[in-house]
Amino acid sequence: GQQLNQSPQSMFIQEGEDVSMNCTSSSIFNTWLWYKQDPGEGPVLLIALYKAGELTSNGRLTAQFGITRKDSFLNISASIPSDVGIYFCAGQIQGAQKLVFGQGTRLTINP
Amino acid sequence: ETGVTQSPTHLIKTRGQQVTLRCSSQSGHNTVSWYQQALGQGPQFIFQYYREEENGRGNFPPRFSGLQFPNYSSELNVNALELDDSALYLCATNSKQGATGELFFGEGSRLTVL
Repeated sequence: GQQLNQSPQSMFIQEGEDVSMNCTSSSIFNTWLWYKQDPGEGPVLLIALYKAGELTSNGRLTAQFGITRKDSFLNISASIPSDVGIYFCAGQIQGAQKLVFGQGTRLTINP
Repeated sequence: ETGVTQSPTHLIKTRGQQVTLRCSSQSGHNTVSWYQQALGQGPQFIFQYYREEENGRGNFPPRFSGLQFPNYSSELNVNALELDDSALYLCATNSKQGATGELFFGEGSRLTVL
């Protein structure tokens, strides 16, 4: 079945640093999405990408849809304490109802 | 605040029992999806309901079943509970028409099976 490999699994950084994480797959996806999950909460959508090569920003967050449609990355610039949490990539095939999620990247920030 | 409400937030069951989890949406979106999230893992798609009909199913056995009601609230039922069913169960609705991947998730129901 489809699987998404997300890396790194965890990151420990200093406040103010930039962060980069990525997601790869052996399958092609038509949509890539990035979600963030805080403890005790459900995932919250950060960015949705619909075209190969697309680069989209949401404040300090920037994500790209890989040209092969098999990968995506998320960058966070100038990290702040509220960026702490688990970041999930998710892919969707056109016409399919389900999202396939990665295993998550846990971000910890030292003040 | 996503407007998606799930209940109960936590529950404990024993192996072999049955459980019903509930979900409601303020917005009244007509599509609802359920996901299972094991500890340390990403969510896994269980099924989706659209206008009260199952509209797609993941790799889960038939003892996982669901309902969607005319007011778009939904239930997830799991029969013959197994220890591996311990997980966070998430309900989600579409945030906007046509963007089926852009989901609003509830806070989840954490099920522990002993």
